[in-house]
Amino acid sequence: RKEVEQDPGPFNVPEGATVAFNCTYSNSASQSFFWYRQDCRKEPKLLMSVYSSGNEDGRFTAQLNRASQYISLLIRDSKLSDSATYLCVVNPNTDKLIFGTGTRLQVFP
Amino acid sequence: DGGITQSPKYLFRKEGQNVTLSCEQNLNHDAMYWYRQDPGQGLRLIYYSQIVNDFQKGDIAEGYSVSREKKESFPLTVTSAQKNPTAFYLCASNQVGSGNTIYFGEGSWLTVV
Repeated sequence: RKEVEQDPGPFNVPEGATVAFNCTYSNSASQSFFWYRQDCRKEPKLLMSVYSSGNEDGRFTAQLNRASQYISLLIRDSKLSDSATYLCVVNPNTDKLIFGTGTRLQVFP
Repeated sequence: DGGITQSPKYLFRKEGQNVTLSCEQNLNHDAMYWYRQDPGQGLRLIYYSQIVNDFQKGDIAEGYSVSREKKESFPLTVTSAQKNPTAFYLCASNQVGSGNTIYFGEGSWLTVV
């Protein structure tokens, strides 16, 4: 089993739709979690950290489920500009972060 | 502006040549990393350093070398021993410790011709 797994997609959704991605991790000792956004041929950029209590930033909501070892990202009211690859990042309580391979989102008009 | 600067952005290398990618950060971060990303794939860790004059191999260190003589600088050399070096290379940094966000440079595209 991979340390961090994501559905590669693509998720093709119309503008205004709500879309959710999950990311599973294998190390139960993992302490911190992040979602990054990566545009085509660009560097990943932090979208949001994921806290145990869940957190929301505008149209984006991230949640952590420790019992089932997954994190989720919910995007409401999708915009064309949300089209990107979303990377799940996990810190398994070591000195290295583990990156998922990303989930590609394509929002169409 | 604070951030991570990588250069060059695009680089072409002939087979058999060594090339060095520069990475400089002014965020005063202790830890620096080099990742490689191939088309449609995730990031793979090449080398990382948590303190000056010390670095560790990542998952795909063969054919690469690094140095960390200064806190702000972490250059990566792609040697001729790296058999398939064409890729997107990303330098990153963060403060050591769990929960500390990692920040990336804009990346360097290396193509072997």
